[in-house]
Amino acid sequence: SQQGEEDPQALSIQEGENATMNCSYKTSINNLQWYRQNSGRGLVHLILIRSNEREKHSGRLRVTLDTSKKSSSLLITASRAADTASYFCAAYGGATNKLIFGTGTLLAVQP
Amino acid sequence: EAGVAQSPRYKIIEKRQSVAFWCNPISGHATLYWYQQILGQGPKLLIQFQNNGVVDDSQLPKDRFSAERLKGVDSTLKIQPAKLEDSAVYLCASSVGQWQFFGPGTRLTVL
Repeated sequence: SQQGEEDPQALSIQEGENATMNCSYKTSINNLQWYRQNSGRGLVHLILIRSNEREKHSGRLRVTLDTSKKSSSLLITASRAADTASYFCAAYGGATNKLIFGTGTLLAVQP
Repeated sequence: EAGVAQSPRYKIIEKRQSVAFWCNPISGHATLYWYQQILGQGPKLLIQFQNNGVVDDSQLPKDRFSAERLKGVDSTLKIQPAKLEDSAVYLCASSVGQWQFFGPGTRLTVL
């Protein structure tokens, strides 16, 4: 399977703590994207990091990318109960420029 | 701006029956995607359209799945006949660049 993997599979933290999720992918990429999915809002795009970038910030989100290791990480700082969701990385690239999603990390933020 | 619309939101059928899903992408988005998301996994691309042409259908089980986008706008995905393993959420997405915007999905249960 081309699908990437994320770890941990599940993460439970207290409000205010930081959450780190890791992603490994298998294909060559143009960029690496992170999405959030919850029952209320479906699958929503969070942040995109290009293959020539090593780190990117957006609000409370920080993403790193290591193309030599084919890995990425997503850090959510000062987490809130509303951050409770599944988080997916998705590698974008290849001949048809399609997104290949990872297996996801289920984050639970306890109030 | 209106998002990606999908219907129905839920569908329950018995195995060997047929089912169809409908998607209306964001206005002006040339690229449309159908994904299958099995519980506990990330979305898997089934088919990608550019306007009304197929770009990638390599993971579409063509013996039972079909999709069309006749006028380059809305699209339908059909399963005939359905199997138990087709139980999943079917997501439609559209894009005009490298970011994809997802609809709420159709949750299919095959009994």
